[in-house]
Amino acid sequence: EAQVTQNPRYLITVTGKKLTVTCSQNMNHEYMSWYRQDPGLGLRQIYYSMNVEVTDKGDVPEGYKVSRKEKRNFPLILESPSPNQTSLYFCASSLIPGLGRGNTQYFGPGTRLTVL
Amino acid sequence: AQSVTQPDIHITVSEGASLELRCNYSYGATPYLFWYVQSPGQGLQLLLKYFSGDTLVQGIKGFEAEFKRSQSSFNLRKPSVHWSDAAEYFCAVGRNQAGTALIFGKGTTLSVSS
Repeated sequence: EAQVTQNPRYLITVTGKKLTVTCSQNMNHEYMSWYRQDPGLGLRQIYYSMNVEVTDKGDVPEGYKVSRKEKRNFPLILESPSPNQTSLYFCASSLIPGLGRGNTQYFGPGTRLTVL
Repeated sequence: AQSVTQPDIHITVSEGASLELRCNYSYGATPYLFWYVQSPGQGLQLLLKYFSGDTLVQGIKGFEAEFKRSQSSFNLRKPSVHWSDAAEYFCAVGRNQAGTALIFGKGTTLSVSS
């Protein structure tokens, strides 16, 4: 089954304790992206990756890192989490970069992160 | 700058009644427009998308949307709402011509009453 998976689905942590949220897709997609969703703000893009070893900042990259060493994986790293990073995080992927006809972003199920 | 506005935060519709969710966008060129649905505790699912051509777009689950350039709108419609349609709905526009990201509206929560 074609899907985007995220782990963990739920995480409670404390300020300053490094964490990684994994994202994996089995569709051989080139493009992957991370969003955060906050009440009243909708979804905002954190980082995206056009292909292996190619990443770039989205609208709200501060406090986050990413890496793209393999095509299928795009982990989101919080080196020193803070309470304002408490949010619902979504990973997404698409076959190729761009939103042309026939190309669609597929979203993972989300990771709910709480930073105390 | 590109932006998406969903004027209605919360809408309640009776089961079987028609639905229209509003979306207005700000974008300089021909936009790529999307509607996504998020059921409670779930990820986002694409309902439909518009790139060019016919301004009335059909999607899944009986939804449709109409692109009106003169009004900068992309409203989502369904003729008869089912209780299972209760969810949060997001309108989105492609962030740039390269289409490397989406800008989302803040969402509209749909409640369905019996």
